[in-house]
Amino acid sequence: EAGVAQSPRYKIIEKRQSVAFWCNPISGHATLYWYQQILGQGPKLLIQFQNNGVVDDSQLPKDRFSAERLKGVDSTLKIQPAKLEDSAVYLCASSLFVGEWETQYFGPGTRLLVL
Amino acid sequence: GENVEQHPSTLSVQEGDSAVIKCTYSDSASNYFPWYKQELGKRPQLIIDIRSNVGEKKDQRIAVTLNKTAKHFSLHITETQPEDSAVYFCAASAGRLSFGAGTTVTVRA
Repeated sequence: EAGVAQSPRYKIIEKRQSVAFWCNPISGHATLYWYQQILGQGPKLLIQFQNNGVVDDSQLPKDRFSAERLKGVDSTLKIQPAKLEDSAVYLCASSLFVGEWETQYFGPGTRLLVL
Repeated sequence: GENVEQHPSTLSVQEGDSAVIKCTYSDSASNYFPWYKQELGKRPQLIIDIRSNVGEKKDQRIAVTLNKTAKHFSLHITETQPEDSAVYFCAASAGRLSFGAGTTVTVRA
């Protein structure tokens, strides 16, 4: 079974520029998550989708971050404009269903450096 | 929201010894507690999880215990091997996964 795919793997931008990340979840997984992992910390949930609807975006900085999952499969996460403190690894995860006991499978992440 | 604290932040053990990582959580509604292992530059991978209706679970050299009254859970790795070296994250969920800050485990050969 193919895992969660993410691209690009690395991205370096200057502050105030825009950047977008892409995620393809495991086939058949209805739920998709975006996490931000700052160096030395655990992942923090940014947004959770169930199919193409948002379940939880309470921790998403909506003034600069946006995400979409238009067809209920792939998802993109955008930052516009980027700040220095956005330097982190952005992890995408998916699970079969939404539910507190559902196992989440993570992608390899996109490492973002904002200069 | 849920707050998960994880200790210690670093742990160095001799190969063959045991390693124990402890986590506490704040939300009494949490009922799912997974543990992830993350090697340098790689994705977090689930190694074991426990649900609130179970007090202990074991999978080969890995075991997890849960004390819902005290709101803490622990990961135990026995007979550690060099390939166990990684960062380990605990997490708790009452609908949203909240992660601890991680424990860097180093197994000395």
